Amino acid sequence: NAGVTQTPKFRILKIGQSMTLQCAQDMNHNYMYWYRQDPGMGLKLIYYSVGAGITDKGEVPNGYNVSRSTTEDFPLRLELAAPSQTSVYFCASTHDANYGYTFGSGTRLTVV
Amino acid sequence: KQEVTQIPAALSVPEGENLVLNCSFTDSAIYNLQWFRQDPGKGLTSLLLIQSSQREQTSGRLNASLDKSSGRSTLYIAASQPGDSATYLCAVNRGAQKLVFGQGTRLTINP
Repeated sequence: NAGVTQTPKFRILKIGQSMTLQCAQDMNHNYMYWYRQDPGMGLKLIYYSVGAGITDKGEVPNGYNVSRSTTEDFPLRLELAAPSQTSVYFCASTHDANYGYTFGSGTRLTVV
Repeated sequence: KQEVTQIPAALSVPEGENLVLNCSFTDSAIYNLQWFRQDPGKGLTSLLLIQSSQREQTSGRLNASLDKSSGRSTLYIAASQPGDSATYLCAVNRGAQKLVFGQGTRLTINP
């Protein structure tokens, strides 16, 4: 089983550039999430989705957008990259409250 | 607003010792609590999941407890090994399966 797959693993962006972080899961999970982790900190929720076509903001959504057209995919879009978005981004999914989360291996993004 | 705190931020112990990591949360209205392990430069691996109706969960040398009324959870690691060195994160599920994370405890086991 592939679990949760994130691409790319690393990326350097210039200020003002745009990019999409890809996330795909093959476990037929309804719930999917995007978190960011800054150095020495816990994870903060950016956006989440409870099913295809349904998304909602988390704790730190500014500067990001998401879509969920299929159960499998949950891409995160950065429109105008800023240095404050330098972070490690994790995608995660779960079946429901009785199950643990499965995390991807992360995307390390640097904005210069 | 739910806040999750982990103390200590870092812990270094000799191999073979038993140890306890602490996690506290401010709002007792949680669905469950999870403990994760994170190795440097890697993603998170789920270790234990405790439902709000449970008091503890065990997996091998790991035991996690939950006291909702006091807003506390502990992760007990028995007979620690160098391979246990990692950052340990706790997270509470406050609804819609959204997790609120603590900052983590960086654990080093010295051979």
